[in-house]
Amino acid sequence: EIVLTQSPGTLSLSPGERATLSCRASQGVSSNYLAWYQQKPGQAPCLLIFDASSRATGIPDRFSGSGSGTDFTLTISRLEPEDFAVYYCQQYGSSPRTFGQGTKVEIK
Amino acid sequence: QVQLQQSGPGLVKPSQTLSLTCDISGDSVSSISSAWYWIRQSPSRGLEWLGRTYFVSRWNYDYAVSGKGRVTIKADTATNQIFLQLNSVTPEDTAVYFCVRGLHYGPFDHWGQGTLVTVSS
Repeated sequence: EIVLTQSPGTLSLSPGERATLSCRASQGVSSNYLAWYQQKPGQAPCLLIFDASSRATGIPDRFSGSGSGTDFTLTISRLEPEDFAVYYCQQYGSSPRTFGQGTKVEIK
Repeated sequence: QVQLQQSGPGLVKPSQTLSLTCDISGDSVSSISSAWYWIRQSPSRGLEWLGRTYFVSRWNYDYAVSGKGRVTIKADTATNQIFLQLNSVTPEDTAVYFCVRGLHYGPFDHWGQGTLVTVSS
């Protein structure tokens, strides 16, 4: 199975700053079938990005995804107070679908 | 609008069976474009796929290697529900369990609210 490794584990930033989250796959992700999710405490994960760079319905354009093959990035251009959460990458190009371990974006 | 509503007990005794139900609205459990997953989340294991069911010509079931032999997923077209059974539970099965819709060649786009299941005597 594909192992996804996210870095950093925790990102401490201030509102208005730019956040850059990394997700590296142990082998190439077929068709760049990679998604990013946001999870807040007590809630289910929420889809932000699919197919590596497409925003899901209703997601603000300050969220963007990029990358291909084994290296992917989620960028939040200017952090809003509601963006402080945990972010997961997930691949759906091969079975089993796997998740990264998460990056926590916390208020500095 | 697709909605997934989970139900089931929050406390299960060791060696017993964990059973959860997911009511689906806004989509059909037998939709040829969707698969229905059970995913769990715990601090020690993170987000872990348990299994899925989908209808393409016939009902299909896939299970994660870690859960094979203990996990059973079923679908009911009459009630538009999916079900999870996890047998012989141990405290390591304590987790939040989610039912999730996954599009074929697509991401997990709709999630249930999650059910915290604690395995304890």
